Amino acid sequence: GQNIDQPTEMTATEGAIVQINCTYQTSGFNGLFWYQQHAGEAPTFLSYNVLDGLEEKGRFSSFLSRSKGYSYLLLKELQMKDSASYLCAVRDARGSTLGRLYFGRGTQLTVWP
Amino acid sequence: DTEVTQTPKHLVMGMTNKKSLKCEQHMGHRAMYWYKQKAKKPPELMFVYSYEKLSINESVPSRFSPECPNSSLLNLHLHALQPEDSALYLCASSPQAGGGAKNIQYFGAGTRLSVL
Repeated sequence: GQNIDQPTEMTATEGAIVQINCTYQTSGFNGLFWYQQHAGEAPTFLSYNVLDGLEEKGRFSSFLSRSKGYSYLLLKELQMKDSASYLCAVRDARGSTLGRLYFGRGTQLTVWP
Repeated sequence: DTEVTQTPKHLVMGMTNKKSLKCEQHMGHRAMYWYKQKAKKPPELMFVYSYEKLSINESVPSRFSPECPNSSLLNLHLHALQPEDSALYLCASSPQAGGGAKNIQYFGAGTRLSVL
């Protein structure tokens, strides 16, 4: 299996910047994903990293360091609608489980006005 | 278009009922997934179908029976469920069940199941 750790809760103010960290320990690695999930809704894909470095997509950026088993999701210019759970997921690269996603417990972000 | 459609959105069933959850995608994806998600928990993988064949069963009880009648459809047949099976059931699909930047899993809105 995999061990994926992220903070349970975070709070921030509208317009601010927040960084959500994710650490992982895997015996096989084929990419790290971030998903956004509003309460009672489906996870929505945000970003994918497989090589070290920063991927930027509008207000959201995601960073990966494979040697450190570390990723973060950076949200800029926070809006109220960004209040949601953010799930870090690692894809397994081993044999028959190729493509399997392992999810962290999610970070519940609350954005205050 | 990255739409995965699940029906019904809500389902209430008794422990002796038989019901089915349905999932459909028209993106040409050849991998489809069932996840179970309890409140404030991450999604837990149940089954993976690759090219209409079951490739992963995460030791799911036999009261859950998946079926993939064709490359666009995925069903989950439910029978003799327990109250603890109440959860949000999510379907996802990806181009293939493999690695690479293109094999992103896209999720449906889910079926919220309550077992009485």
